[in-house]
Amino acid sequence: AQSVTQLDSQVPVFEEAPVELRCNYSSSVSVYLFWYVQYPNQGLQLLLKYLSGSTLVKGINGFEAEFNKSQTSFHLRKPSVHISDTAEYFCAVIHAGGGYQKVTFGTGTKLQVIP
Amino acid sequence: GAVVSQHPSWVICKSGTSVKIECRSLDFQATTMFWYRQFPKQSLMLMATSNEGSKATYEQGVEKDKFLINHASLTLSTLTVTSAHPEDSSFYICSARTVNSYEQYFGPGTRLTVT
Repeated sequence: AQSVTQLDSQVPVFEEAPVELRCNYSSSVSVYLFWYVQYPNQGLQLLLKYLSGSTLVKGINGFEAEFNKSQTSFHLRKPSVHISDTAEYFCAVIHAGGGYQKVTFGTGTKLQVIP
Repeated sequence: GAVVSQHPSWVICKSGTSVKIECRSLDFQATTMFWYRQFPKQSLMLMATSNEGSKATYEQGVEKDKFLINHASLTLSTLTVTSAHPEDSSFYICSARTVNSYEQYFGPGTRLTVT
């Protein structure tokens, strides 16, 4: 079974400061990793994903994440946040295999950008 | 591309009535659709997985007679909440994926309020 841990439920950060949202996963097999953003009363929007290749993945809105297999982590970073980045961020994992694939989501991290 | 819509975006119904939520893939054929439920300030909980033309696979603890899922075509899945009660009030989100794709595309969600 796979699991995803987002240790920080809330992360306050000042505008234009850097931010890192942490995500650790546990799985006995290879996985694909995703970060989604959810704005209030909206669905999830894909920020970025890691399937294979370069461990540093760049996504939309200036976000990037680094896959670290030894640390089983996939932390999300942004060098300078904006007010508009205030939202809930979910890390997710899928088994990298064929057949039925169930997405496991973390519990989410609420990013609060302070002006 | 890869747009998923949901209708309605917000619905209020009286206790004891049934309500249907539609999930459509607008520009691709969705071989598999997923239905999630999200409680306030919590992560997404997978309710069921539906493959076009097949019966839905429900997660443990989800009442299949209460949450009826139909995936009659490659672009449409419906979730019917039967005999709704106030505890069914929640944010329901669908997602869809194509065959051989790991990525899920999420709809904008439907907020259900049962009075």
